[in-house]
Amino acid sequence: EVQLQESGPGLVKPSQSLSLTCSVTGYSITSNYWGWIRKFPGNKMEWMGYISYSGSTSYNPSLKSRISITRDTSKNQFFLQLNSVTTEDTATYYCARSRGYFDFWGPGTMVTVSS
Amino acid sequence: QITLTQQAESLWVSPGEKVSITCRASQSLLYTDGKHYLSWYQQRPGQTTKALIYHASIRTDGVPTRFIGSGSGTEFTLSIEDVQPEDIALYYCLQTLKKPYTFGAGTKLELK
Repeated sequence: EVQLQESGPGLVKPSQSLSLTCSVTGYSITSNYWGWIRKFPGNKMEWMGYISYSGSTSYNPSLKSRISITRDTSKNQFFLQLNSVTTEDTATYYCARSRGYFDFWGPGTMVTVSS
Repeated sequence: QITLTQQAESLWVSPGEKVSITCRASQSLLYTDGKHYLSWYQQRPGQTTKALIYHASIRTDGVPTRFIGSGSGTEFTLSIEDVQPEDIALYYCLQTLKKPYTFGAGTKLELK
């Protein structure tokens, strides 16, 4: 079975970078698409972007040039980096597999941006 | 970008009843392959987000038949027949027709 698990710091200071890892088991990230989604306090959900089976990426324009999604195929992991964070980036961050819809999700990791 | 409107923030239901959650898109979600790129998700506290329905009406593996997705064009509905206590959750629709992919605001299903 496909399983995803997010990991990373739960607290990030404003203006710093947020870095998260998604570890995937049961399926190779060299197939399909692998995305990051976040849920803000108040329940609004936002698709952040994805990395494809070939390593190409697509990002939500709302995140402009702050976001980067990369991968390490040898470890079957992909990564999220979000730069210049503010308190508005406080959210629960999810990784998920995309096959036209998001069929498998990680449990999510809460990240708070605060000094 | 495509806006998805889930008008009901909360719905109250008793076990055994039927409930419908609606999702309206700002433009048609029909692609040239004849499929609608609209999916539904369930979030329960402490549980992993679960995909219920994709292409508007196809249940994912293991989803009970009481979950029914319907609709076309810009209007979609997730119906839950014979609601069970474990169905109390937050439900989202999502469009993956055009980037940026966008979610509805969510509908919280609560027990009367």
